[in-house]
Amino acid sequence: AQSVTQLDSQVPVFEEAPVELRCNYSSSVSVYLFWYVQYPNQGLQLLLKYLSGSTLVKGINGFEAEFNKSQTSFHLRKPSVHISDTAEYFCAVSVAADSSYKLIFGSGTRLLVRP
Amino acid sequence: GAVVSQHPSWVICKSGTSVKIECRSLDFQATTMFWYRQFPKQSLMLMATSNEGSKATYEQGVEKDKFLINHASLTLSTLTVTSAHPEDSSFYICSATKNIQYFGAGTRLSVL
Repeated sequence: AQSVTQLDSQVPVFEEAPVELRCNYSSSVSVYLFWYVQYPNQGLQLLLKYLSGSTLVKGINGFEAEFNKSQTSFHLRKPSVHISDTAEYFCAVSVAADSSYKLIFGSGTRLLVRP
Repeated sequence: GAVVSQHPSWVICKSGTSVKIECRSLDFQATTMFWYRQFPKQSLMLMATSNEGSKATYEQGVEKDKFLINHASLTLSTLTVTSAHPEDSSFYICSATKNIQYFGAGTRLSVL
């Protein structure tokens, strides 16, 4: 079975500072990896995804993530955050060979950007 | 893009009544849609997988008679919370698949 661990429940950071949100997964088969952002009282918006190819994935809003197979990680990074980046971030995986598109979510990390 | 519309965004109802939530894929057809429930400050909990033209597949512990799911077309799935009670109050989110999942904006249900 697959699982996703987001080690940090909350990450406070000052505006314009860099940030890294950590995500580790467990799976014995190939997976696809995703990062979603959720603003208060809203649904989830896809930030970026890794399906295959280059392990460095660039997404929207200046975010990027790197797939590290040996460390089973998919950490999310941004070199300079804005106040508007304050939100909940979810890492998720799906089994590559599973046509059901089911996602397994991590517990989420709240990014709190302070002025 | 792939846009998923969820309606209503917020609903308040009396205990014992039923509430229907709609999930529509606006610019694509989705053979599979998912319904999630999210408690405050928690992650999404998958409730069921909805496939067009067939019965929904419910996750363990989800009451299929309480949470009725209908996926009548390739662009519409509905979730009906029957005989709602205060403990059903939550944030419900749907998603539709087009290679990956695209999410609706969610519905906040408050049962008085």
